[in-house]
Amino acid sequence: DVKVTQSSRYLVKRTGEKVFLECVQDMDHENMFWYRQDPGLGLRLIYFSYDVKMKEKGDIPEGYSVSREKKERFSLILESASTNQTSMYLCASRLTAGTLVELFFGEGSRLTVL
Amino acid sequence: TQLLEQSPQFLSIQEGENLTVYCNSSSVFSSLQWYRQEPGEGPVLLVTVVTGGEVKKLKRLTFQFGDARKDSSLHITAAQPGDTGLYLCAGDYAGGTSYGKLTFGQGTILTVHP
Repeated sequence: DVKVTQSSRYLVKRTGEKVFLECVQDMDHENMFWYRQDPGLGLRLIYFSYDVKMKEKGDIPEGYSVSREKKERFSLILESASTNQTSMYLCASRLTAGTLVELFFGEGSRLTVL
Repeated sequence: TQLLEQSPQFLSIQEGENLTVYCNSSSVFSSLQWYRQEPGEGPVLLVTVVTGGEVKKLKRLTFQFGDARKDSSLHITAAQPGDTGLYLCAGDYAGGTSYGKLTFGQGTILTVHP
């Protein structure tokens, strides 16, 4: 089975702190994604990566950056956390073979910014 | 940005009742997926529909893709408490290079009372 592991399930940070959210997948998937999940808004795409060192902005990239130095690892960085970034963050990966899309999600990282 | 309108946002029903969740868009999608998410977990894929008019059944769940591939529905027959969770529709937009960039609906929180 595909496994997507997010390093931290729960984090509490202070405004202005730098925050790293790590995600590792074990199935050699090319595509990886970071979503933000808020009640009533569904999942919104922050950034995605289609290969090592390649990244594209999603729908809400402001205030975030990402790093993909190795194929299995995709990191989300909040340079200076703000209270409006309090949210559930979901990492996902996808294999590019074929035309159908299936995302495999991690368990999520719930971030609270005080 | 392609939008998916999902309704209703909340459903609270008694065990044994039937229900339908709708997902609508003005955009055409190559495929549409339904995910289920339980508290503290990431979303898990239930089904993918690809062909306009397609109907797929998964035990008591019936999924339908609209003829024009702009809408979809999820029908649950004789709901059980184990069906409780967040249901998300997600579309793979047909108009460009996707890289698996799914557009998600806002989600439906289903609660089935014993």
